[in-house]
Amino acid sequence: EAGVAQSPRYKIIEKRQSVAFWCNPISGHATLYWYQQILGQGPKLLIQFQNNGVVDDSQLPKDRFSAERLKGVDSTLKIQPAKLEDSAVYLCASSLGLGGAYEQYFGPGTRLTVT
Amino acid sequence: AQKITQTQPGMFVQEKEAVTLDCTYDTSDPSYGLFWYKQPSSGEMIFLIYQGSYDQQNATEGRYSLNFQKARKSANLVISASQLGDSAMYFCAIRLRGGSEKLVFGKGMKLTVNP
Repeated sequence: EAGVAQSPRYKIIEKRQSVAFWCNPISGHATLYWYQQILGQGPKLLIQFQNNGVVDDSQLPKDRFSAERLKGVDSTLKIQPAKLEDSAVYLCASSLGLGGAYEQYFGPGTRLTVT
Repeated sequence: AQKITQTQPGMFVQEKEAVTLDCTYDTSDPSYGLFWYKQPSSGEMIFLIYQGSYDQQNATEGRYSLNFQKARKSANLVISASQLGDSAMYFCAIRLRGGSEKLVFGKGMKLTVNP
């Protein structure tokens, strides 16, 4: 079974530029998550989709971050314009369902450096 | 708000020995789930073990077991017979039932297994 795919793996941009990350979840997984992991910290949930609807985006900085999940499958996360503090690893995860004991399967992440 | 505390910044263990990684949590909700994830240097988060708040027995998954002490609000991970490949960051996380059921992660701790 293929895992969660993410691209690109690494990205370096200058502040005020825009960037987009792509995620392809495990086939059949209804729930998709985007996390931000700053160096030395645990992942922090940015946004959570159930199929193509948003379940939780309470920690998404909506003035600069946006995300969509097309047709309930792939998802893109965009930052525009980027700030220095956005330097982090952006992790995508998926799960069969919402909550309970459903484990989340994570992708390899995209390491973003903003200079 | 729920909170996860991992106070050990780093631990060292000899190969083949057992090691306990500490995790305490703070929630007033009676229903919740606790997760442990491993993050090797490659960056991908790997699910290890799950414990539900109403589970009567401590969870076990191969060499991993969870020492769940509900009254103390602790969920320590025990790794038996450590292997060199166990060297990684380890994260404890809590999920509350209801709402978005998002995971909230601790800051993690680094385990190094010495030969």
